[in-house]
Amino acid sequence: KAGVTQTPRYLIKTRGQQVTLSCSPISGHRSVSWYQQTPGQGLQFLFEYFSETQRNKGNFPGRFSGRQFSNSRSEMNVSTLELGDSALYLCASSGLAGNPYEQYFGPGTRLTVT
Amino acid sequence: AQSVTQLGSHVSVSEGALVLLRCNYSSSVPPYLFWYVQYPNQGLQLLLKYTTGATLVKGINGFEAEFKKSETSFHLTKPSAHMSDAAEYFCAVSDRGGADGLTFGKGTHLIIQP
Repeated sequence: KAGVTQTPRYLIKTRGQQVTLSCSPISGHRSVSWYQQTPGQGLQFLFEYFSETQRNKGNFPGRFSGRQFSNSRSEMNVSTLELGDSALYLCASSGLAGNPYEQYFGPGTRLTVT
Repeated sequence: AQSVTQLGSHVSVSEGALVLLRCNYSSSVPPYLFWYVQYPNQGLQLLLKYTTGATLVKGINGFEAEFKKSETSFHLTKPSAHMSDAAEYFCAVSDRGGADGLTFGKGTHLIIQP
C-alpha cells in the first residue's frame, strides 16, 4: 500500500500571501489530521477531517482552515501568512472513524515564510 | 486536558548500550499511548502503541515500552543501541474519544556514540 503523500514538499512564501497544502491519505483511510511542527512549539494538532467533515480542531486562529474531498484527499489553507507560520506541516491518516488511533504520517511540507 | 512530558531533550548512549527514553503523561481518561520516531527531513513513523491489554508493548526495530498506570509513565527502551537509532523520538497520548487529536511531548533527540 502506498503511504501518505503530501505536496509540495517545500514551499517558500511571502508574508501576507496565502498557501494551500495537499495530502493524500493511505487508500481506504477516511480520517485525515493535520499537525504543525516548529522548533519552539513542537508538534501541535491543527484539525481532523472525516468523511468531508471537520470533526476536531486545535487551538489555531481562523487563518488556518482545511477541507476534505469525497476521495478523502485533504487540503489545508493558511491565509495572510505570518513569519511564525514557518513550520513543517504534517498530515496523518487513520483507518478508524474519527479516532486518532494509529495514525500514519506523511513526509510533511516545509513552509518558509519570508 | 492531556499533556506529555519527555524527560531529557537530548539523550546520548554508546552503541550497544541500553536505550531508555522517558515519557510521563497526564490524562483524565484512560489513554492511548504512542511512540513515534522522526528521522531528519521525514515524517513520523509509529514505533509502538498501547491501547488495551498487555502493558508491555513491543514495537519495531527492537523497541518496547511499558505502560505503568500508577506512575503515569510509558518509557521506551531498547536493550542494545544501534547507530541507525539516532533520531528524534516523540511520545504521544490521545484520549479514547479522539476529541483533540494526538498530544505530543517535546521530543527527545537520541544520540548514539560509536
